[in-house]
Amino acid sequence: DQQVKQNSPSLSVQEGRISILNCDYTNSMFDYFLWYKKYPAEGPTFLISISSIKDKNEDGRFTVFLNKSAKHLSLHIVPSQPGDSAVYFCAASERGKGGSEKLVFGKGTKLTVNP
Amino acid sequence: DAGVTQSPTHLIKTRGQHVTLRCSPISGHKSVSWYQQVLGQGPQFIFQYYEKEERGRGNFPDRFSARQFPNYSSELNVNALLLGDSALYLCASSSWTGSGYTFGSGTRLTVV
Repeated sequence: DQQVKQNSPSLSVQEGRISILNCDYTNSMFDYFLWYKKYPAEGPTFLISISSIKDKNEDGRFTVFLNKSAKHLSLHIVPSQPGDSAVYFCAASERGKGGSEKLVFGKGTKLTVNP
Repeated sequence: DAGVTQSPTHLIKTRGQHVTLRCSPISGHKSVSWYQQVLGQGPQFIFQYYEKEERGRGNFPDRFSARQFPNYSSELNVNALLLGDSALYLCASSSWTGSGYTFGSGTRLTVV
């Protein structure tokens, strides 16, 4: 049972245009959300995060929007650059007993930015 | 400043064998977590250690075990390897739980 879903396995956009990557979740106990970017043969690299008490967080070309009522978040990249081509993972933080924390990841969306 | 380092980078093992994967966190980071990523899936949580104690365990069989040492480095051990254990194993460290994680490049394990 997937708690974090990225329903688009791939996305292709033109350089300079906006890339929008979507993510849905089912667990209302998640308290913050993260986006990671992953190149082949490398580990995931943190991009941007958002707390569940906010609805928007911006960092340069990257903006994450959170709609708690819809249990949906999205990552906007403006303008998109060829170097943004990678797999993007949406992740949600789940806290447990004794201070434990785990990240629950979606399956990822492969973004291709064409020159 | 060195990031999270994992060794080895690649490994080929035979079914039934045992494997040990190693992780060195960023200096000053006391929390280490392990994730398994199989092809086409997102990383899946295996263990979290903080201050040398297990703080969380994912839905993995008892063949999987881990430990954290006084210098905060960590080992992931997998016994009686199965073909389905073939995956990229990722280690992530953070300064404390909830502060965000930095991932290593992973160990690619192939079981034949």
